[in-house]
Amino acid sequence: SQQGEEDPQALSIQEGENATMNCSYKTSINNLQWYRQNSGRGLVHLILIRSNEREKHSGRLRVTLDTSKKSSSLLITASRAADTASYFCAVSTDKLIFGTGTRLQVFP
Amino acid sequence: EPEVTQTPSHQVTQMGQEVILRCVPISNHLYFYWYRQILGQKVEFLVSFYNNEISEKSEIFDDQFSVERPDGSNFTLKIRSTKLEDSAMYFCASSADLSGNTIYFGEGSWLTVV
Repeated sequence: SQQGEEDPQALSIQEGENATMNCSYKTSINNLQWYRQNSGRGLVHLILIRSNEREKHSGRLRVTLDTSKKSSSLLITASRAADTASYFCAVSTDKLIFGTGTRLQVFP
Repeated sequence: EPEVTQTPSHQVTQMGQEVILRCVPISNHLYFYWYRQILGQKVEFLVSFYNNEISEKSEIFDDQFSVERPDGSNFTLKIRSTKLEDSAMYFCASSADLSGNTIYFGEGSWLTVV
C-alpha cells in the first residue's frame, strides 16, 4: 500500500502554540499534498510539495519532505482556535491516496 | 478561485434505490475523481476518469457504481442499487494533469441510505 499514515492521530494544544503533524508513506511519489477538513465539510487543499522539494512555506504553514525516509511533516505556527480541524496528507502518483488524518484541537 | 461544485449536498435514499451524485469540475481540468469517506474514517479513492473513460478504479468501485461525463461540464457518479454501507460522504475532485498539480475537491455529497 502506498497510503500515508499520520501521527499523532489526535493533538490538543493551546492557541499560540505550534502544531506538528507527521506523515509516512511507502512508495515513490510525484508529490505530497496536505488537506484540511472541518467536521462534516469538504477537503481544503493547503499545500503541495513535489518529490524534488525538501521544504515549502505558505503563511503559517511549513511542510517538509524527506523522500529517503518517505516522510513529511506539517507545522502550523502560532495556532488559532480556527485551525481546529482534521489534517490529512495525501501521496500522489496517478491518484491521491489519503492517510488516516490528525485531528487537531486548538483551545482558546 | 475556481472550485469544484457538487449536488446534492445531502441525500437520503431507501436501500435498493438508484442514486446519482453530480459534480461540476473546474472548467479547464482534464482529470476527474470520485472519493468517499465513511463517517469517522479516512478518504478512500473510488475512481479516476480521463478522456471519457475510467483510468483506474478501486476495489470499492464494483459493478453497482458507474461514472459518466454526459456533457462538457458535468461528471456524475451513479450507484445502481444502494446498500446501507454506501452511506458516506462522496467527494468529487479534479486536476489539470496527473502528476504535478493540485487536486481540488468539492464540498461533498452526504449520502444516507436507510
